Amino acid sequence: SAVISQKPSRDICQRGTSLTIQCQVDSQVTMMFWYRQQPGQSLTLIATANQGSEATYESGFVIDKFPISRPNLTFSTLTVSNMSPEDSSIYLCSVGQGDYGYTFGSGTRLTVV
Amino acid sequence: GENVEQHPSTLSVQEGDSAVIKCTYSDSASNYFPWYKQELGKGPQLIIDIRSNVGEKKDQRIAVTLNKTAKHFSLHITETQPEDSAVYFCAARTVNAGNMLTFGGGTRLMVKP
Repeated sequence: SAVISQKPSRDICQRGTSLTIQCQVDSQVTMMFWYRQQPGQSLTLIATANQGSEATYESGFVIDKFPISRPNLTFSTLTVSNMSPEDSSIYLCSVGQGDYGYTFGSGTRLTVV
Repeated sequence: GENVEQHPSTLSVQEGDSAVIKCTYSDSASNYFPWYKQELGKGPQLIIDIRSNVGEKKDQRIAVTLNKTAKHFSLHITETQPEDSAVYFCAARTVNAGNMLTFGGGTRLMVKP
């Protein structure tokens, strides 16, 4: 299965600023997703990152707040914009690989102060 | 869209006992059901999965069963060990909505030595 490198692993940010999270995969993958995991909660899909086109966002998530780039089949970024304390969460990159299932990165633990 | 419910939310067992976690799903078109283990500070790790054309799958101490008619699936861990202590998530793949995974609420399993 794919190996995912996600950076940064954690960060503490001031409210009103933005943070860009990177997801690098060691092989080409078609399906790439971004999830949010609020403290003590389950995983909620933010969007599907589409290579060469705009991401597909789930209900409750908008491009202005969570812009996503996917320039090729091995890399994607998620930006959390104009942050508030409510954005404090773990953000996870995931890839889907057919018979290998879905693999997750180790996550980015974000604290907004 | 798909809705996945998971029970119980917490489970405490004695080392050596068995643990069972149950999930139900709503979308009859879902065809792939993975289980993830998440340890503190880490991303979810796939431990076992089952596809809709199979009723049961086993991997050493871990087994998963699927009842498509009733739309529920279960994780069984036998001979539990303290290192099994973690949060477990079930998920279902929504084929008709971009192959995304929808997650259950999670079960915190505590194995007491």
